[in-house]
Amino acid sequence: SAVISQKPSRDICQRGTSLTIQCQVDSQVTMMFWYRQQPGQSLTLIATANQGSEATYESGFVIDKFPISRPNLTFSTLTVSNMSPEDSSIYLCSVDSHDEQYFGPGTRLTVT
Amino acid sequence: QQPVQSPQAVILREGEDAVINCSSSKALYSVHWYRQKHGEAPVFLMILLKGGEQKGHEKISASFNEKKQQSSLYLTASQLSYSGTYFCGTDFSGGYNKLIFGAGTRLAVHP
Repeated sequence: SAVISQKPSRDICQRGTSLTIQCQVDSQVTMMFWYRQQPGQSLTLIATANQGSEATYESGFVIDKFPISRPNLTFSTLTVSNMSPEDSSIYLCSVDSHDEQYFGPGTRLTVT
Repeated sequence: QQPVQSPQAVILREGEDAVINCSSSKALYSVHWYRQKHGEAPVFLMILLKGGEQKGHEKISASFNEKKQQSSLYLTASQLSYSGTYFCGTDFSGGYNKLIFGAGTRLAVHP
């Protein structure tokens, strides 16, 4: 298994601003993923982040809006740029460890 | 394409059994099952990699029918701790574990 921490755990932001979410893992992993989850809804994959390469984005998500960094095998950041109220959601990172995927505790974002 | 989960919700008494289904219109590489409690992160239950595979975890088990492109999660002799939302995550990416999740099944177990 893997232990994952995220910062911040929650934030309230004004529209038009940006927020960077950090994800830290207690072991080295090749693949990290970023998901979004609206309260009471399912999880939607935003992008896959591999160390040493550009992140791969899913349909409906673009790099200008959700830039991702993956500087090493234990850390990644997701930035939510130029936020609008529609970006209010829970953002979760996950890691793949021997075909098992583990999730961080999530960052609850509210955009006013 | 999002897999279809059924039923949407289940209410059980302690000790009763339930089955949650997950079906796809596309060929699946693997199926992952998770349970999420309110306000918490999803917790990994099990992964099924091969058609015909079955796995068990305490009183929770699952099967994967590759031909029918579906998986089922079996909860037997349910306990209060089983309450939560169950998600299946399907991998169409050939092993890269880019998961597409179903809409979830809400399970409530009452005394």
